[in-house]
Amino acid sequence: SQELEQSPQSLIVQEGKNLTINCTSSKTLYGLYWYKQKYGEGLIFLMMLQKGGEEKSHEKITAKLDEKKQQSSLHITASQPSHAGIYLCGAGRTNTGNQFYFGTGTSLTVIP
Amino acid sequence: DSGVTQTPKHLITATGQRVTLRCSPRSGDLSVYWYQQSLDQGLQFLIQYYNGEERAKGNILERFSAQQFPDLHSELNLSSLELGDSALYFCASLGRRSSGANVLTFGAGSRLTVL
Repeated sequence: SQELEQSPQSLIVQEGKNLTINCTSSKTLYGLYWYKQKYGEGLIFLMMLQKGGEEKSHEKITAKLDEKKQQSSLHITASQPSHAGIYLCGAGRTNTGNQFYFGTGTSLTVIP
Repeated sequence: DSGVTQTPKHLITATGQRVTLRCSPRSGDLSVYWYQQSLDQGLQFLIQYYNGEERAKGNILERFSAQQFPDLHSELNLSSLELGDSALYFCASLGRRSSGANVLTFGAGSRLTVL
């Protein structure tokens, strides 16, 4: 089973709508990373959350970390076609982060 | 351009063959990670090197091997290739960014097709 579970697996939204992607860890989180991947391309770093309750924003994307629940959420406000792609959450397996592993990914389609 | 360079971008080969994928990390980064991404398995961690030494191993098959050279570039060798090895192979390097956080920066990937 995956150590990082993402939901939903895929999402289709109308342009302008808000959406949320969730990432839940079955193990202790030592930092949580969010990446975006255009189909068939490399992963682009969005942001990293280290402390419980931390919230970060990048343009219209906001991510929060709930350390107690070992969960993170990624929220996109007023989605645009440029937001389309696969969103992956990632984490280090130890506090030294030697093994970075990733969730199953959420595929986002934004309909103009 | 992420600063992590992977070659080749595309590779088509036959079952039973051997291929080598190459990665140059971002300038200043000492740590290199290899991942395999397929439709059914998602992004799977294979192996990590730090300054020439193997540091962590994930789901890497025995037919696969890797190394990191003194100039810090890394190679992933895939041998006795099977149809199921067709995938995108990513290299990433780990380094401290201006924010102070350690971040994995990914290359554009090498797409391997085994026929």
